Amino acid sequence: GENVEQHPSTLSVQEGDSAVIKCTYSDSASNYFPWYKQELGKRPQLIIDIRSNVGEKKDQRIAVTLNKTAKHFSLHITETQPEDSAVYFCAANRGSTLGRLYFGRGTQLTVWP
Amino acid sequence: GAGVSQSPSNKVTEKGKDVELRCDPISGHTALYWYRQSLGQGLEFLIYFQGNSAPDKSGLPSDRFSAERTGGSVSTLTIQRTQQEDSAVYLCASSSLGLLRTDTQYFGPGTRLTVL
Repeated sequence: GENVEQHPSTLSVQEGDSAVIKCTYSDSASNYFPWYKQELGKRPQLIIDIRSNVGEKKDQRIAVTLNKTAKHFSLHITETQPEDSAVYFCAANRGSTLGRLYFGRGTQLTVWP
Repeated sequence: GAGVSQSPSNKVTEKGKDVELRCDPISGHTALYWYRQSLGQGLEFLIYFQGNSAPDKSGLPSDRFSAERTGGSVSTLTIQRTQQEDSAVYLCASSSLGLLRTDTQYFGPGTRLTVL
């Protein structure tokens, strides 16, 4: 099946700095790549997603880039704030399997004030 | 509208007992997923229902785990003869799988299962 690798597993940044989380995937037919944020004790929530027909998508301080050739995608958070502290999960679908997502292991982001 | 709901929110049981966890997906969503999340860990896929198709059970860790989805809506995850290693948060998600076939999964609040 699809194999999604996520790095780093933990990331600490100072408030105002940028944070980058990277994921790689194995199925060249994958075409949907969402990112979820999970705050402590809460459910995972979608923060941004990208489909394979675009290379970059931005939403205020959050952006995602996709490199289909290299089969990797990244989450960029600029001007980080303490409330960005959470676990972030990347995911990818698989071309042959409708709907199911394959998740990375997660990145614990801590933003220090 | 209402999101995905799960019940109970917390369940404490004794080793060896059976438990049932319930998920109510978003109305109209055809796909429903169960995940398990152990403390501080990632999302472990368990099972996936899509419409009237046979479910993808490839993530169920043992034959003590089973799930059903009645009428294409509510789903129940059953764990028989619970073990301490079953302690985790069980998350349900649903998606509409519309025209794009890769729609967002919306998660429920989870059921925290503790096996004593």
